[in-house]
This record gives sequence, structure tokens and C-alpha cells, in this order.
Amino acid sequence: DAMVIQNPRYQVTQFGKPVTLSCSQTLNHNVMYWYQQKSSQAPKLLFHYYDKDFNNEADTPDNFQSRRPNTSFCFLDIRSPGLGDAAMYLCATSRGGEDYEQYFGPGTRLTVT
Amino acid sequence: GQQLNQSPQSMFIQEGEDVSMNCTSSSIFNTWLWYKQDPGEGPVLLIALYKAGELTSNGRLTAQFGITRKDSFLNISASIPSDVGIYFCAGQWGSNQFYFGTGTSLTVIP
Repeated sequence: DAMVIQNPRYQVTQFGKPVTLSCSQTLNHNVMYWYQQKSSQAPKLLFHYYDKDFNNEADTPDNFQSRRPNTSFCFLDIRSPGLGDAAMYLCATSRGGEDYEQYFGPGTRLTVT
Repeated sequence: GQQLNQSPQSMFIQEGEDVSMNCTSSSIFNTWLWYKQDPGEGPVLLIALYKAGELTSNGRLTAQFGITRKDSFLNISASIPSDVGIYFCAGQWGSNQFYFGTGTSLTVIP
């Protein structure tokens, strides 16, 4: 089945230790997104790639970076995680153009100790 | 940033009852989407709305894109236990930019 895959499902990192979260898709969609969702809150868009074009949301902290080496993969790098970065990180994809239907992965739950 | 207010915040209903929830904003959106999220999982797309005034159904779900482009509602008819979860609206604007509503937590009592 075509899908959005996130690995790992659970990630524990230490305060200040860089961490990378991974997302892959078999949908061949042009757009890939990263969202942060804190407990009992709505998902918040961090940034997205349209093909190779990177689009950062204005209020996304510099501590968060992203890479998209090819169509299928997208990575979220947190350079120096703080306790406040503990959250669920959701990857999503969409076809692009005028098609805004987003398909989400299962998320990675990040714990910062 | 944009703010989407979703109401009600939570609902407790009997199985078989109909449910209605809505989403309002002070800003105009180009597209409205409705998602359901189960605990520990990613949101699942239920309905996408692309035109002001559009009314779309997906099984027992019906959603409408408000004519002012600042609101949307979702109705669920004849609720069943598996409808339990958190429902989010999301508005799209600009270039692939999305804002999510505050969520409605639905509990269905068998």
C-alpha cells in the first residue's frame, strides 16, 4: 500500500544532543511537510518542501532544520533539543498544484531528557 | 499567525446520535479540510473542500465550506463507537500553508 512512513515511532534524546527524524513516502507526492504537535494541541506547521524548494514558516525556530535528498525522503534535524521540543512530530505529503489533500504518517514521539 | 477556533471543544454523545462541529476564523482560507486523529497516530483526512459554499459527503460525514470562506462545519450522522477521536479542521492559504483548528474531542457512549 502507498503510504507515509516515519521512523522511529519513539525517539529519546538528551538535552542539547542533535537528533534526526526520518520520513519516507511511496505516494510519489511533490510536497512534504513537517508538523510539531504538543500534547492536547493542534498540529503546527514547521516547514514544507515543494519538490526541492524549501519553505520555512516564519515562526519556526532556527533550531529546526530539514533536508529532502530525493522525492521519497525528508528529514527533520533538531540541532540542540530543549525540553520544550518534546512533542509528536508528524510528516505529511500532498500531490501539489491545486491538490491540498494531506496524507500523514503515524508520527514520531520525541522525548528530551 | 492565523487562528482557527473550533467548537465545541469536547462532546459526549450516545451511540446513534448526530454530531455537529464547526470551525471559524477571522481570515479567509482557500481550502478547508477535516481530519480525525486517534491517540498516538497521525491525522487521517476525512473531507476536503475547495469552493465556497461547497457541501460534500463521505459516508455518514458531511462538511460544508462557508460562503464567507471563514468557516466550515462537519456533521456526523448516526454515530458509532469507532467515531471516537479528535476531529481537527484545517485551513489552507498561500503556498501549501496550513493552520489547524483547536480540535473537538468526541466520545461516543454505547
